[in-house]
Amino acid sequence: GEDVEQSLFLSVREGDSSVINCTYTDSSSTYLYWYKQEPGAGLQLLTYIFSNMDMKQDQRLTVLLNKKDKHLSLRIADTQTGDSAIYFCAEISGGTSYGKLTFGQGTILTVHP
Amino acid sequence: GAVVSQHPSRVICKSGTSVKIECRSLDFQATTMFWYRQFPKQSLMLMATSNEGSKATYEQGVEKDKFLINHASLTLSTLTVTSAHPEDSSFYICSARWQGNSANVLTFGAGSRLTVL
Repeated sequence: GEDVEQSLFLSVREGDSSVINCTYTDSSSTYLYWYKQEPGAGLQLLTYIFSNMDMKQDQRLTVLLNKKDKHLSLRIADTQTGDSAIYFCAEISGGTSYGKLTFGQGTILTVHP
Repeated sequence: GAVVSQHPSRVICKSGTSVKIECRSLDFQATTMFWYRQFPKQSLMLMATSNEGSKATYEQGVEKDKFLINHASLTLSTLTVTSAHPEDSSFYICSARWQGNSANVLTFGAGSRLTVL
């Protein structure tokens, strides 16, 4: 079945850029997503990218997609302490019309002052 | 924007009792909702897909008699943990997809923390 992998931890200094990486196996993925989860809360959609795009930028967030290598990354510019959270990569395959997502394990981002 | 409300946010119950968690789409109709379970510092595990007006579709390994799902209207799905035991303690999160959403974006509730004593 589909598989999504992420590194588990990332630690950065405030003001630096953070890059969270994700790999997936489903070659028929149509959309890929980044969600953020703060402690004790649900998931908040940060951004998503359609599989025919290479890059998407939204304010401090930049998503890069390498479809050939099935690699997705999320770059957070000027990382702030408020960005500390768990970040989940997720994908949905073309054959799934009702929104069933496959999630990665989540990357715990810690931002140090 | 699309908002999903989940209630209660926290619940503590005694072993053997049943607990109901509600998931409501506040400003849109959701024909399909999803229930996830999350263990500490782990990813989300899809438990079941809740379909309005029909039976839920459970993922492999999830006991349908243990986790009862009802999707009686286009804005409400409920998850009932029956005869709860300490091992059922977890964080349960629901999500819904609003119609007309070509990107298949899911909106998540804030989650419900269940503690079974």
